Amino acid sequence: SSELTQDPAVSVALGQTVRITCQGDSLRNYYGSWYQQKAGQAPILVIYGKNKRPAGIPDRFSGSRSGNTAYLTITGAQAEDEADYYCNSRDTNGYIYYVFGSGTKVTVL
Amino acid sequence: EVQLVESGGGLVQPGGSLRLSCVASGFTFNKHDMHWVRQTPGKGLEWVSTIGTGGATFYGNSVRGRFSVSRDDATNSLYLQMNSLRVEDAAVYYCARASYYYDSGDYYFWFDPWGQGTQVTVSS
Repeated sequence: SSELTQDPAVSVALGQTVRITCQGDSLRNYYGSWYQQKAGQAPILVIYGKNKRPAGIPDRFSGSRSGNTAYLTITGAQAEDEADYYCNSRDTNGYIYYVFGSGTKVTVL
Repeated sequence: EVQLVESGGGLVQPGGSLRLSCVASGFTFNKHDMHWVRQTPGKGLEWVSTIGTGGATFYGNSVRGRFSVSRDDATNSLYLQMNSLRVEDAAVYYCARASYYYDSGDYYFWFDPWGQGTQVTVSS
């Protein structure tokens, strides 16, 4: 299957740690990437590769993978981290295409 | 500054056509594949199409045969020609730059940056 499954919503207390999961068969072959989208804005890349952050992304964001699951961890969540987070992967399945997860709404309490 | 700016969205009737544009700046456009991604409130982000530096094109199942992606490297422009539009094609359409690398047998890819998006509404 090419689908990526994410929990619809999670909440985290200010300064605490939250881990967002993304499950899918294609993640056994690819690390994929993670995107943050705040209300009314375009998505921005937060994690790519095994665990790389673009310039300007705080080091409290980290990524990992185990089996068919990818993880985005926010260590010491801040109020400005409240957003939707999407994972992304790719599957050839005889045809090259990309797939995004359904998104996880992170609320910082 | 790396920047992507979309335009061309609007209201169109079912069965109609629309052409979206995306102008790139701040990077060497002709060295990058480019993507179109759309977003609806109900379905989240959906990959629409990719065009390679050599002009190879790829489409998602829901748009193949109706949409056509193209690029003009002379003007740093990306296009999405959308024909036979359906109500379910209504969305915010984003263009995004593609990046890839290989390391120790693994293949990595990401979409960065994204444009601000352009709204497409399909309604009678």
